[in-house]
Amino acid sequence: DIQMTQSPSTLSASVGDRVTITCRASQSISNWLAWYQQKPGKAPNLLIYKASSLESGVPSRFSGSGSGTEFTLTISSLQPDDFATYYCQQYNDYPLTFGGGTKVEIK
Amino acid sequence: EVQLLESGGGLVQPGGSLRLSCEASGFTFKMYAMTWVRQAPGKGLEWVSNINGRGSETYYADSVKGRFRMSRDNAKNTVYLQMNTLRAEDTAIYYCAKDACDTANCYGVDSWGQGTLVTVSS
Repeated sequence: DIQMTQSPSTLSASVGDRVTITCRASQSISNWLAWYQQKPGKAPNLLIYKASSLESGVPSRFSGSGSGTEFTLTISSLQPDDFATYYCQQYNDYPLTFGGGTKVEIK
Repeated sequence: EVQLLESGGGLVQPGGSLRLSCEASGFTFKMYAMTWVRQAPGKGLEWVSNINGRGSETYYADSVKGRFRMSRDNAKNTVYLQMNTLRAEDTAIYYCAKDACDTANCYGVDSWGQGTLVTVSS
């Protein structure tokens, strides 16, 4: 099975900060990576697919990059609505797997 | 508007069974793969199972393989998750979700239900 490792697990940041979250795969997954945002008590929301494609309706301050085994999610200027937990998920092979999550907290 | 409505969650004893249902609307159901994802209290997301549009192919997480079975009825726009031999560690919110797909591949989940809570406890 492909293991997905996110770092950091928690991140403290201020409004306006540039934030980067990393996701590493235990083997190459090409660009078959998705990023999700989840707020407490809510279902997740798709942000990025195929590593760098922005889902419709998602603000352009979110971007994704990477291929192979290393990927990043960047928020160019953190907004109050962005404080949440972020997950990566590989779609290269079954069983599909999520990373452990990165909680973005207010500094 | 895509809507996914889960039902069937509840309290069950260890070793027991439960069947979750998810009724879908707002899209051409038979054209899309569907997924179940779960989240234990205070924990991260765990992918559970996936089924293709025709219902001919299913995939499972190692943690549920042999105990859970996913199926679908395209005439009723409904997917199911039959859960047998339940364990305490299966306690979670179970989300039904629609895969995001283009003509060739699926690449994420773009719609989610509100989730249904399954509690396995004596």
